[in-house]
Amino acid sequence: AQRVTQPEKLLSVFKGAPVELKCNYSYSGSPELFWYVQYSRQRLQLLLRHISRESIKGFTADLNKGETSFHLKKPFAQEEDSAMYYCALSGQGAGGSYIPTFGRGTSLIVHP
Amino acid sequence: DVKVTQSSRYLVKRTGEKVFLECVQDMDHENMFWYRQDPGLGLRLIYFSYDVKMKEKGDIPEGYSVSREKKERFSLILESASTNQTSMYLCASTVDRGLGNTIYFGEGSWLTVV
Repeated sequence: AQRVTQPEKLLSVFKGAPVELKCNYSYSGSPELFWYVQYSRQRLQLLLRHISRESIKGFTADLNKGETSFHLKKPFAQEEDSAMYYCALSGQGAGGSYIPTFGRGTSLIVHP
Repeated sequence: DVKVTQSSRYLVKRTGEKVFLECVQDMDHENMFWYRQDPGLGLRLIYFSYDVKMKEKGDIPEGYSVSREKKERFSLILESASTNQTSMYLCASTVDRGLGNTIYFGEGSWLTVV
């Protein structure tokens, strides 16, 4: 069974402070990991994925297979980063499809 | 541009009513999903479909059914709505069964059961 754990429901920081949103996963194979973001009154959308190894809006995430983690980081938080962040894992499910499993989400609030 | 459209954004239904939530995608995607989004619980998978007329149960299928008669359309059905089904429902799609595909979400349907 695959599982994604986001231990923090809420993370509150001041503008300019570093941010780290934690994500741990459980999966027996080689997973593909993502971060999705939901800004206020907008639909959930992809922020970044492990396979692309890219930085989006200043955010990065490194897959640590030893610690089974995929933490999301940004060196200097901006007010517009305030949103709900979901970590997701794509693992093989029924019918051979890769099924996305999501964590419970972390609400990031960046204060001015 | 990629589009997943959920026709009903806000619904209020009575306990025991049959409820249909419709979702259409215009990207010719094979996979479609229905999730339920609740505060503190995140997104939980109800059902998914990887082809027309195919469906698979997710983590919380009880009380729900689905229909996929056409590739672009995936419907979620609550046969007899109950108050504990009050929630935000998200439809999503991916291009195919492969690993690492981006998930495209609809805007969500807020359902209140009274």
